[in-house]
Amino acid sequence: SAVISQKPSRDICQRGTSLTIQCQVDSQVTMMFWYRQQPGQSLTLIATANQGSEATYESGFVIDKFPISRPNLTFSTLTVSNMSPEDSSIYLCSVSWQTGELFFGEGSRLTVL
Amino acid sequence: GNSVTQMEGPVTLSEEAFLTINCTYTATGYPSLFWYVQYPGEGLQLLLKATKADDKGSNKGFEATYRKETTSFHLEKGSVQVSDSAVYFCALTHTGGFKTIFGAGTRLFVKA
Repeated sequence: SAVISQKPSRDICQRGTSLTIQCQVDSQVTMMFWYRQQPGQSLTLIATANQGSEATYESGFVIDKFPISRPNLTFSTLTVSNMSPEDSSIYLCSVSWQTGELFFGEGSRLTVL
Repeated sequence: GNSVTQMEGPVTLSEEAFLTINCTYTATGYPSLFWYVQYPGEGLQLLLKATKADDKGSNKGFEATYRKETTSFHLEKGSVQVSDSAVYFCALTHTGGFKTIFGAGTRLFVKA
């Protein structure tokens, strides 16, 4: 398992601004993912964060809106750009060692006014 | 494509009642199957898993059996407690750990 720390845990932002969420893991991991969980909904994969290269985005998500960095095997950031109220969600960082099971951070709850 | 279908909630039970949350899946090959739980105000955590047909995953009194013939992975617990109140997600992942597919989640309320 791993200890996964996300910052901020919650934030309230104004429309049109951007917010960067950080994910720090206490050990090196193979895979890092970013998920979105809209209120009362299931999890939707935004992208796989690739170490040293561009993230792999899922259908419906683009780099201009959700730029992701992963400079090393323990750290990643997700930026939510030019936010609108529809971006209000919980954003979850998760990691895996290719065993299939995922470990999650506690999430970052974002409210856009 | 791959998908996971869970019974809709919310499910409301009295303490010590029997719990079943149905989960069926569609997938090519032989995925691994998981149940995750999300307690109020917390992130998701793994509850149990099964990696091949007929495997039974178990944890904290919860059980689920990987049934390939019925493509199901139903979650059961013989006697629920108030502390089991949470949202339960069924999920599948193919070998290599790429791209987990989650069901819609089932919210469970347990009354004292």
